[in-house]
Amino acid sequence: DAGITQSPRHKVTETGTPVTLRCHQTENHRYMYWYRQDPGHGLRLIHYSYGVKDTDKGEVSDGYSVSRSKTEDFLLTLESATSSQTSVYFCAITQDFSGANVLTFGAGSRLTVL
Amino acid sequence: DQQVKQNSPSLSVQEGRISILNCDYTNSMFDYFLWYKKYPAEGPTFLISISSIKDKNEDGRFTVFLNKSAKHLSLHIVPSQPGDSAVYFCAASEGSGGSNYKLTFGKGTLLTVNP
Repeated sequence: DAGITQSPRHKVTETGTPVTLRCHQTENHRYMYWYRQDPGHGLRLIHYSYGVKDTDKGEVSDGYSVSRSKTEDFLLTLESATSSQTSVYFCAITQDFSGANVLTFGAGSRLTVL
Repeated sequence: DQQVKQNSPSLSVQEGRISILNCDYTNSMFDYFLWYKKYPAEGPTFLISISSIKDKNEDGRFTVFLNKSAKHLSLHIVPSQPGDSAVYFCAASEGSGGSNYKLTFGKGTLLTVNP
């Protein structure tokens, strides 16, 4: 167990409202990631962080922002949610596996934008 | 442009037989490859990986084969069990660590193992 907690696990919101998803980890991992999973697209990287206040964009970053003010929390914000952002969002951290890194994922946050 | 491709959306096999899941990639800078398994309503879980310096890696019933010249990898599950029924994602990265470490995933293949 990598100690990753995502909240909320489920959220229904309306178009145009702001939404923040939280990823919390308890094991002091440096790298954290936000992915979204959609049918027909697999998992796509939104943003990632390589330290406190150090973040970078992934392949589908438009419409999303992130913040990491402390090691344990990585927040994903949708400033003005749109229906195209209806998805399942996964947070991940890197863990060592036999000398190489693997991503370990949280349980996901299902977001529905009406 | 999709850099990691899983061209079979689904695969159905009988219990006890071999399951072969395929994955192709286009980015020649990819040198580390992973397979993940995902059950409904759960996060993906790491299954097995392979570095580009190898052409085979085995872990119990799971074996991954890498053909660098063809930019192709495959996951073999022998023998297949009903509990293996899940979506399998192929993933790749440039390097296996550091600040540039991020995975590019395929669309996934739904494996169904019939009793």
